Amino acid sequence: AQSVTQPDIHITVSEGASLELRCNYSYGATPYLFWYVQSPGQGLQLLLKYFSGDTLVQGIKGFEAEFKRSQSSFNLRKPSVHWSDAAEYFCAVGPTGTYKYIFGTGTRLKVLA
Amino acid sequence: KAGVTQTPRYLIKTRGQQVTLSCSPISGHRSVSWYQQTPGQGLQFLFEYFSETQRNKGNFPGRFSGRQFSNSRSEMNVSTLELGDSALYLCASSPTAQGVADTQYFGPGTRLTVL
Repeated sequence: AQSVTQPDIHITVSEGASLELRCNYSYGATPYLFWYVQSPGQGLQLLLKYFSGDTLVQGIKGFEAEFKRSQSSFNLRKPSVHWSDAAEYFCAVGPTGTYKYIFGTGTRLKVLA
Repeated sequence: KAGVTQTPRYLIKTRGQQVTLSCSPISGHRSVSWYQQTPGQGLQFLFEYFSETQRNKGNFPGRFSGRQFSNSRSEMNVSTLELGDSALYLCASSPTAQGVADTQYFGPGTRLTVL
């Protein structure tokens, strides 16, 4: 069955600290992989996406993600978090062929000053 | 360039009624997708349209339908509303035929409340 798991519902980090948000997936084919951010009043915004090629993907706002096929993971990272990064982050996979577009349940990030 | 617009922004309906939500994509974008967001189920893909054709559909009952017009504007319809249809409905547009595989630009959503 297709699924996306974001194991951390909430994460709290201090401003300036590094961040890693986890995403694991189960999919019948090599999927397209995405990370989105949703901020109050800002709507949903694509941070980055992976289709093929270099497994380390750079996105907007200083974020990057690494695709690890052997671990079925696509974790999002940022070396130094800013207070404005406080938001909810969604990992998504697909679609490929008949496989659907699936979102994880989201990780809510809180940033301490 | 104006962003994706969705109307209305807020809507209150009662069970059994039907509702139509509208989405105007960014000018020049031909792909439109719809999503439902609820606290319990999270973000779920509803359907995707390109050039007036539905290309992809999520796992929703037939009460949920949509269409796209020749100017790329899209509507989604929910018939026989249930309490569980209360949600934020998001529309997104993308510039190419890749649709959801492309960079999507999301609208602010329509908040539907079913009483």
